[in-house]
Amino acid sequence: EVQLSESGGGLVPPGGSLRLSCTTSGFTFNNYAMNWVRQAPGRGLEWVSLTSHSGDTRYYADSVKGRFTISRDNSNSTLYLHLTSLRAEDTAVYFCAKGPRSGNYYNSWGQGTLVTVSS
Amino acid sequence: AIRMTQSPSSVSASAGDKVTITCRASQGISTYFAWYQQKPGKAPKLLIYAASTLESGVPSRFSGSGSGTDFTLTISGLQSDDFATYYCQQYYSYPRTFGQGTKVEIK
Repeated sequence: EVQLSESGGGLVPPGGSLRLSCTTSGFTFNNYAMNWVRQAPGRGLEWVSLTSHSGDTRYYADSVKGRFTISRDNSNSTLYLHLTSLRAEDTAVYFCAKGPRSGNYYNSWGQGTLVTVSS
Repeated sequence: AIRMTQSPSSVSASAGDKVTITCRASQGISTYFAWYQQKPGKAPKLLIYAASTLESGVPSRFSGSGSGTDFTLTISGLQSDDFATYYCQQYYSYPRTFGQGTKVEIK
């Protein structure tokens, strides 16, 4: 059974940094692209970033480009998202998500971790 | 970025009703398109991918159609478990984008 579990969320002041983790099991991690998707309170879904199975290719939403960095540790089947220069509008539940190997759509999701940016 | 526009934003329906939700892409995306269901406090659940392919385990009362710019999700015979918010998503290009959501409420 595929399992994804996010951690690392919390309260951080504007301008601060945070690293989110997504631990995985139940599939061959290094065969799959992985994604981060977020959802601000009471709002819709926003795709944030994708990393290819090897980590060589990464894509970002314009809203986070230059501030967030996606990475992965294939030896530990773990996905990361490093958030810097945080803004109030980054407040959201952050989900990690996987789909088919290309990562185009998402059939497995974690439970999400809440990031709150506030002074 | 490709803009995805869903309509309606919300719909009130009764159990047994047929519900149709539409999603329009701001440019052609072929069938690189998916639908999700989300319940409060839960992660989204994939319903349909490639515009019309039902994800394994999803009930057959859900169906999808469309290609290019216009897509439809139909729920035939609404059940109590279907009251939720539905999102469309394109995966034709980066950045991936979602529609704003359609809330299906109990009439």
